[in-house]
Amino acid sequence: DTGVSQDPRHKITKRGQNVTFRCDPISEHNRLYWYRQTLGQGPEFLTYFQNEAQLEKSRLLSDRFSAERPKGSFSTLEIQRTEQGDSAMYLCASSWGGTVQETQYFGPGTRLLVL
Amino acid sequence: GQQLNQSPQSMFIQEGEDVSMNCTSSSIFNTWLWYKQDPGEGPVLLIALYKAGELTSNGRLTAQFGITRKDSFLNISASIPSDVGIYFCAELNNNDMRFGAGTRLTVKP
Repeated sequence: DTGVSQDPRHKITKRGQNVTFRCDPISEHNRLYWYRQTLGQGPEFLTYFQNEAQLEKSRLLSDRFSAERPKGSFSTLEIQRTEQGDSAMYLCASSWGGTVQETQYFGPGTRLLVL
Repeated sequence: GQQLNQSPQSMFIQEGEDVSMNCTSSSIFNTWLWYKQDPGEGPVLLIALYKAGELTSNGRLTAQFGITRKDSFLNISASIPSDVGIYFCAELNNNDMRFGAGTRLTVKP
């Protein structure tokens, strides 16, 4: 078990460009979550998947954001037409949703800087 | 909506001292979690609490789920330099997890 992995670890982009991040969850986990974390704050929920179905989205997830988990394994988070306010750490977490008391395990995050 | 208040915001302690931090919520939750985050890394789960009144230890760490289900504390005994980092409490209710703003711990050798 290698844990949750995220790629890339760092991304610098110019305003207006599109970026895509990848998350590979723990292999037996059926739930996958995306969070955003800005400096000095705790992670904020963006969206989550159970298998390939996207079941919940936060109001933080604007139209420029889209997430997919096509085969119920890895997930991608795309941000279109990036803005400076998108600069943050994007965290992925996974869990096994077979019980009520599941806990989420986080990846190392992708730090995005929009210039 | 519910609010999750974590305190203190930061702590500066001497190596060997004990540390205590806590979280309170405006709502009742089913699960309390404590995470530690090192710079540039994702949060790492330290302790999970599932029942009101539950007291759980993980090495030098001890956490308790308050009887009212609206609060939790985390204690670190005999701190060491590698305890440095940001500690987050989080509430989990079904699939909804919300984090506190974190307690930044600095340990002076």
